[in-house]
Amino acid sequence: EVQLVESGGGLIQPGGSLRLSCAASGFTVSSNYMSWVRQAPGKGLEWVSVIYSGGSTYYADSVKGRFTISRDNSKNTLYLQMNSLRAEDTAVYYCARDRSGYGPSGAFDIWGQGTMVTVSS
Amino acid sequence: SYVLTQPPSVSVAPGQTARITCGGNNIGSKSVHWYQQKPGQAPVLVVYDDSDRPSGIPERFSGSNSGNTATLTISRVEAGDEADYYCQVWDSSSDHPGVFGTGTKVTVL
Repeated sequence: EVQLVESGGGLIQPGGSLRLSCAASGFTVSSNYMSWVRQAPGKGLEWVSVIYSGGSTYYADSVKGRFTISRDNSKNTLYLQMNSLRAEDTAVYYCARDRSGYGPSGAFDIWGQGTMVTVSS
Repeated sequence: SYVLTQPPSVSVAPGQTARITCGGNNIGSKSVHWYQQKPGQAPVLVVYDDSDRPSGIPERFSGSNSGNTATLTISRVEAGDEADYYCQVWDSSSDHPGVFGTGTKVTVL
């Protein structure tokens, strides 16, 4: 079965760090374009970051310089390292797979169930 | 950065047609994707590349895109279609290519 399972969320103090994981099954993370998307409580979807199959990475302005997307091919897992966390980073974080294998299309056909990150003192 | 604007809410009676718009500068030159999100659940892709449907998505969901407006149309609306809907584009020329619309709450009366 093709699926994504996130983990690593929790309560963290402002200024702290957290690493989210997204374990994939049924497909190969390194062969796909993989993104992180977040949703603050009661708010809309916000794209956060992408890693291309070739390894290029891009970030939303709101997280650039603080978050790092990466992957471990041996574990078939996607990561999001989040540093210098702020209250406004509080959200459910989803990992998602781009359906296109030929170039990023932005159409995410597989989503994880989400992991909640709460930044609060 | 690229901005996508949606109406906050759309109300529709069962059996009628709901149309959700997504406005953006020359959006017709981009591929638009649409997601359905029900409370407490992850989003689900319902239309991609303006008008294509993933496997398993009913034909009642259709999309169009031209000029400065893309539209998701839900025909013969059912109670189960009540959800939030988001449009999205991928701006490959940008350093932050992923862009979601503001979201539209569809209420079935």
